[in-house]
Amino acid sequence: KAGVTQTPRYLIKTRGQQVTLSCSPISGHRSVSWYQQTPGQGLQFLFEYFSETQRNKGNFPGRFSGRQFSNSRSEMNVSTLELGDSALYLCASSLGTGTFTGELFFGEGSRLTVL
Amino acid sequence: AQSVTQLDSQVPVFEEAPVELRCNYSSSVSVYLFWYVQYPNQGLQLLLKYLSGSTLVKGINGFEAEFNKSQTSFHLRKPSVHISDTAEYFCAVSEPGGSYIPTFGRGTSLIVHP
Repeated sequence: KAGVTQTPRYLIKTRGQQVTLSCSPISGHRSVSWYQQTPGQGLQFLFEYFSETQRNKGNFPGRFSGRQFSNSRSEMNVSTLELGDSALYLCASSLGTGTFTGELFFGEGSRLTVL
Repeated sequence: AQSVTQLDSQVPVFEEAPVELRCNYSSSVSVYLFWYVQYPNQGLQLLLKYLSGSTLVKGINGFEAEFNKSQTSFHLRKPSVHISDTAEYFCAVSEPGGSYIPTFGRGTSLIVHP
């Protein structure tokens, strides 16, 4: 079974630009969550999508947005990039329903550097 | 809201020595508990989980953890570590019947010296 795939793995942007990150979940998983990981703040929850709807949201500004497609693939977008947005962005998939316990399956992340 | 405290940000240890990574959580209600490991430049991988039943949980790579409800703790242990265990370890908790979105601790960096 293929794991969670995130693209691109690495990217460099400049302040003010925008970026789109992509995540393909494990086949059959309908929930996709996004996390921002930084050395100072650890893992912070951005949002969760289930069946194309945002089901949960963390405390991030509106510059951070996401969406989920009918095949469960998800994208997140960050507009008007700031230096503080430099981080590893992790996507995690899960069943999201039924016997779901909160166990997540993570991709390898997209490392964003903002200059 | 849930909170998870990993009491040590960094734990240095020599190879073949035992190790314990500590985790405490805030909730007094029923919880699910997880330990994840993150190797350099990789995502997180599940080590073990506690859902119910026996309080001693065994995971991959020889790790185990003990759930202590009265102390709201879920400490991770390994009797003999290897160089390859050098990684970041995260404790996480989710609440059954809630959003199930897990709350993560800040992580503990395990550094195994030869």
